[in-house]
Amino acid sequence: SSELTQDPAVSVALGQTVRITCQGDSLRSYYASWYQQKPGQAPVLVIYGKNNRPSGIPDRFSGSSSGNTASLTITGAQAEDEADYYCNSRDSSGNQVFGGGTKLTVL
Amino acid sequence: EVQLVQSGAEVKKPGESLKISCKGSGYSFTSYWIGWVRQMPGKGLEWMGIIYPGDSDTRYSPSFQGQVTISADKSISTAYLQWSSLKASDTAMYYCARYQTSGYYMDVWGKGTTVTVSS
Repeated sequence: SSELTQDPAVSVALGQTVRITCQGDSLRSYYASWYQQKPGQAPVLVIYGKNNRPSGIPDRFSGSSSGNTASLTITGAQAEDEADYYCNSRDSSGNQVFGGGTKLTVL
Repeated sequence: EVQLVQSGAEVKKPGESLKISCKGSGYSFTSYWIGWVRQMPGKGLEWMGIIYPGDSDTRYSPSFQGQVTISADKSISTAYLQWSSLKASDTAMYYCARYQTSGYYMDVWGKGTTVTVSS
């Protein structure tokens, strides 16, 4: 089965730009989706496909992909963006796989 | 409004059986796959498996094959996750989510069901 690797923790100054990355072989074939999870809450989809945001997700969230790496970028991070972020992708055997998650701290 | 409503928290003893539920509303329940995701205390998200309520086609992650059973009752728009003999290591939050095959992502999530297994 495939694996997706994320940095465990990332920090960003308020109002600055931060990129959270996700690496894995499956990303050469499938787009990643990204989920935000705040403490005590269910995950929320923030990016899917090439670079699509569900209704209600601010446009400061964007996604990109190159080779085996997918990225979630937050342009102008806000205090409310502090959360855990997980990437997810389909793998070659038809299963879904999550990355280990990245804890984002907004300073 | 599209919603997935999960059953309430459970406290069980090792060896007991359990079935938790996820009821969909606001959309055609039989037209979308439903996935189950585990989150152990303080840990990340883990994909468990998926079911298509239209015909009950079910796929399991290798890590969970044989450990749980996923099922659905389309007549009441409800998916289930069940254990025949719980272990302490099954203590976790369990989420259901609607799965979009158009892009392989989960667009709607339930609020989760906490399962605690303790003697």
